[in-house]
Amino acid sequence: GESVGLHLPTLSVQEGDNSIINCAYSNSASDYFIWYKQESGKGPQFIIDIRSNMDKRQGQRVTVLLNKTVKHLSLQIAATQPGDSAVYFCAARGNMLTFGGGTRLMVKP
Amino acid sequence: KAGVTQTPRYLIKTRGQQVTLSCSPISGHRSVSWYQQTPGQGLQFLFEYFSETQRNKGNFPGRFSGRQFSNSRSEMNVSTLELGDSALYLCASSLAPSTDTQYFGPGTRLTVL
Repeated sequence: GESVGLHLPTLSVQEGDNSIINCAYSNSASDYFIWYKQESGKGPQFIIDIRSNMDKRQGQRVTVLLNKTVKHLSLQIAATQPGDSAVYFCAARGNMLTFGGGTRLMVKP
Repeated sequence: KAGVTQTPRYLIKTRGQQVTLSCSPISGHRSVSWYQQTPGQGLQFLFEYFSETQRNKGNFPGRFSGRQFSNSRSEMNVSTLELGDSALYLCASSLAPSTDTQYFGPGTRLTVL
């Protein structure tokens, strides 16, 4: 079946540094990918998405890279801030939206 | 535009009871999906509704059921609660099923004692 996995459960970065969160997916038919941010006590919040006909998309301080050859996507956060501390999920859409297990990003002041 | 709302936010039940959770989607959104989130299993898909019809169902026992009303509001029900049903239940809405970004509500934290 479909699965989406994350390489690291916890990522600790210094404030101001760039963060990179990685995600692997298994369904080569996935055509749409989303990154969500979930803060404690809240539901996941949409950050950025990318369709399979693209390999890069930029938002405000965030960039998503998609490598369909190795079925991998990453989320890059520039100049990480304390407010970026949260759990980040990737999701891949095949027949349904399948979520990865989540990476906890901790930002050290 | 108001976001997805879920009620109640917190719920405590005992084993064997049943529970009904409610979700109101973003105005204009007709698709509602439900997820269970636990520390051990992460986000797991329960079911998806569109135009009052269940379109997809995840791998959960029949104790988990749902429905959608004509105004797109949705409810999910869990009967004969078990300790393992303790979780955060998240509702997400989108304009259309399977083709649009899903926007999540804050969730209902269910604790089964």
